[in-house]
Formats: sequence, structure tokens, C-alpha cells
Amino acid sequence: GENVEQHPSTLSVQEGDSAVIKCTYSDSASNYFPWYKQELGKGPQLIIDIRSNVGEKKDQRIAVTLNKTAKHFSLHITETQPEDSAVYFCAASKSGAGGSYIPTFGRGTSLIVHP
Amino acid sequence: DTGVSQNPRHKITKRGQNVTFRCDPISEHNRLYWYRQTLGQGPEFLTYFQNEAQLEKSRLLSDRFSAERPKGSFSTLEIQRTEQGDSAMYLCASSLFIRDEQYFGPGTRLTVT
Repeated sequence: GENVEQHPSTLSVQEGDSAVIKCTYSDSASNYFPWYKQELGKGPQLIIDIRSNVGEKKDQRIAVTLNKTAKHFSLHITETQPEDSAVYFCAASKSGAGGSYIPTFGRGTSLIVHP
Repeated sequence: DTGVSQNPRHKITKRGQNVTFRCDPISEHNRLYWYRQTLGQGPEFLTYFQNEAQLEKSRLLSDRFSAERPKGSFSTLEIQRTEQGDSAMYLCASSLFIRDEQYFGPGTRLTVT
């Protein structure tokens, strides 16, 4: 089955700095890579996703990149703010014909943004 | 708000008791997923439904766990004879058929004493 590794487990930055979280996956058939933000006491919230036919996607201060050859993808947050503090999860799944649409999640990165 | 809702939000039970959780998905979503999340881990897939049909179950889902979605709307997850190892956050998510994006509810935190 799919295996998703996520690093670092904890990331501490100053407000205004950039933050980068990296994930690798094992199944070359995976083609959909969502990122979730989970605040304390809440369920994961989908913040951005990328599909295997795209190398990069941006949405305001967040961006994701995907390297299919190396089987790794990354989340980039620029101009971090204290409200970005949360646990971030990457995931990988197979969609389309024959796909299960069931994501395998990484273990999470606790991002702390200091004011 | 028409997001995914889960009840109860917290449940404390004694070992050996049965518990049942409910999930109400986003109204037009015909896929519903259950996950379990323990401290320091990402969500782990348990089972999913497409309409009322339960299509896949993880090997994590022991015989003590059962899930239903009788009318293709809300779903229930029951754990019989709870064990301390069942203590976790139980998350529900929903999606549209053949769409990748899943939307999670707030979860039910189960504590087995």
C-alpha cells in the first residue's frame, strides 16, 4: 500500500517568515495530493491540493509543488501569520478509473508562528 | 452552516461498554468516510460508503466495529465492548461521487477508561 512520509514533525518560525513542509510518497500510481490544516479540537480542513498533471499550484500565500519523478511534494507558506499556527497534514490518493479515492496521510507537521 | 457534523463531540465510556457515533455529511455528498486519528498521527481510513453501500473496510476495522448508512444520508459508527486502545478521535468526511476533495467534520473524541 501507499506510504507517506512527512517532515519536519515540528516547525517554528517568526511571523513574516516562510515555512516549507515536505512529503514523499511510495506509490507511483498516486495522482491526487491534498493538504489539510487541523487546528486544536477541530477536524482537518482542506487548504490546497494538486494533481499529478500539474507541477505547481498557488493560492494567495500558499503554494504546493509536485515532483512526480522523485515522488515528493511540498507545501510553501509565505508571510506567515500567527493564525497559520496549526498541524498540517499531507496526503496521497489514487483517483479516476480504478482509483479508491482513499487518502493515506502523513504524520503531520506542527507549525508554530511566533509573533 | 451546511458542513459535516458529528455527534457527540466527546464521549467518555468505561471499558466493555458499547458506544455509537453519528455523522451527518454535506447534504449532496454521496460518499461518506470514517477515519480514526490518534495523538501525533494523521487520520487512518476505517471504512467508506457510497450512498448506502459500504464499499471498503480497512483491516483496522475489527469485528467490534460496525458502520451503517441506512438511507444514504447520515451514518453511524458503533464500537462494541470498547477497549482502552479504542481511545481516539473518530473523524467523518464526505465527498461527491468521483471527486477527490473530502470535507471533514469536527470529530468525536472517545476516551475509554
